[in-house]
Amino acid sequence: DADVTQTPRNRITKTGKRIMLECSQTKGHDRMYWYRQDPGLGLRLIYYSFDVKDINKGEISDGYSVSRQAQAKFSLSLESAIPNQTALYFCATSDFTSGRQETQYFGPGTRLLVL
Amino acid sequence: SQQGEEDPQALSIQEGENATMNCSYKTSINNLQWYRQNSGRGLVHLILIRSNEREKHSGRLRVTLDTSKKSSSLLITASRAADTASYFCATDSSGGSYIPTFGRGTSLIVHP
Repeated sequence: DADVTQTPRNRITKTGKRIMLECSQTKGHDRMYWYRQDPGLGLRLIYYSFDVKDINKGEISDGYSVSRQAQAKFSLSLESAIPNQTALYFCATSDFTSGRQETQYFGPGTRLLVL
Repeated sequence: SQQGEEDPQALSIQEGENATMNCSYKTSINNLQWYRQNSGRGLVHLILIRSNEREKHSGRLRVTLDTSKKSSSLLITASRAADTASYFCATDSSGGSYIPTFGRGTSLIVHP
């Protein structure tokens, strides 16, 4: 089974709708992240969480919110979707040991289309 | 803003040739990581190199890090068609929260 899973894998929605993307991990990592990928722009950080009670905004958090329901679950919400939020969304996890950032493990991605 | 920038943006080679891609960054780092992404798929981790390391190998991959020049290179030797993918570097700045920041990637095409 995959270590980091994302649901749904594909989603089409309309402008103004609220949607939630979910991420679960079995790595036992404290750190979780949400990234967005647009063609030619690489990955940009939306939100990250160091543990259940520690959630932080990334460089492009406007229009998004998150919830860390448990160590293993980190959800991303678009309160009122707009077309320029059409993108590929990735969840990732990582460990942080002895003051060092470790490898990030990525989910398979959610392809979102906002009409 | 993106900390790391890969160069070239696109690279096209024949099977069996070596592929070299570079990553430059702006501020001091703790770690630099290279990832591969097949079209529309998730990112797969290749190599992590610490700021106090200069070179690491993994199979046909060789990564170098020059902190004085704030740059890294990824060399894929004896490339195969299956190496066709996008390659990203990710850096986490020292003195901060160690959040990896990604570049825009190098798109590699290996022709059979």
